[in-house]
Amino acid sequence: SQTIHQWPATLVQPVGSPLSLECTVEGTSNPNLYWYRQAAGRGLQLLFYSVGIGQISSEVPQNLSASRPQDRQFILSSKKLLLSDSGFYLCARNPMGVGGGYTFGSGTRLTVV
Amino acid sequence: GDSVTQMEGPVTLSEEAFLTINCTYTATGYPSLFWYVQYPGEGLQLLLKATKADDKGSNKGFEATYRKETTSFHLEKGSVQVSDSAVYFCALGGAQGGSEKLVFGKGMKLTVNP
Repeated sequence: SQTIHQWPATLVQPVGSPLSLECTVEGTSNPNLYWYRQAAGRGLQLLFYSVGIGQISSEVPQNLSASRPQDRQFILSSKKLLLSDSGFYLCARNPMGVGGGYTFGSGTRLTVV
Repeated sequence: GDSVTQMEGPVTLSEEAFLTINCTYTATGYPSLFWYVQYPGEGLQLLLKATKADDKGSNKGFEATYRKETTSFHLEKGSVQVSDSAVYFCALGGAQGGSEKLVFGKGMKLTVNP
């Protein structure tokens, strides 16, 4: 199984509050993991990816950070949320290498108020 | 850099109508191409893929052919159903830094009415 677990499913947070979204995966070890954000009318934007424990690559400068403390755990964080952080956050893995595409989690809907 | 351009819609069709969603890409090298579908409130699911020129991906009645000469990967279905109502994303993938990175189009919302 290449199942991806994301939680929470929905989250409403005030501006300036911290954020922690967790993604855990099942299946083969040492997966490549990704965080995407889907904002209204803007499609999917790659935020971070990781090829191993402690290895994080950031795609865009922003208010968010990511960490990979364990092989199958990928965490998205913020110290102080902005209104512009609202969106649908998706965790993904690349189970079959190049040409295999991604498997996505069910996502977290974040609304910053 | 690599990019994907697709029809954005939204598009509304009647059941049993023919569907085409255009997708073109710009990339260096020879990317893999994908179509993903997102049903309301859910994550993305891989619909079909093609990894080299002239490959045809197919699934659930949907088809797309990798056309290198026109840099396109248009999605088609001969007869859509209400259950096909969703957002469709075209994507290209290529190896980079030990990982496959996907670049997505903006997505197209399809509504099929009975």
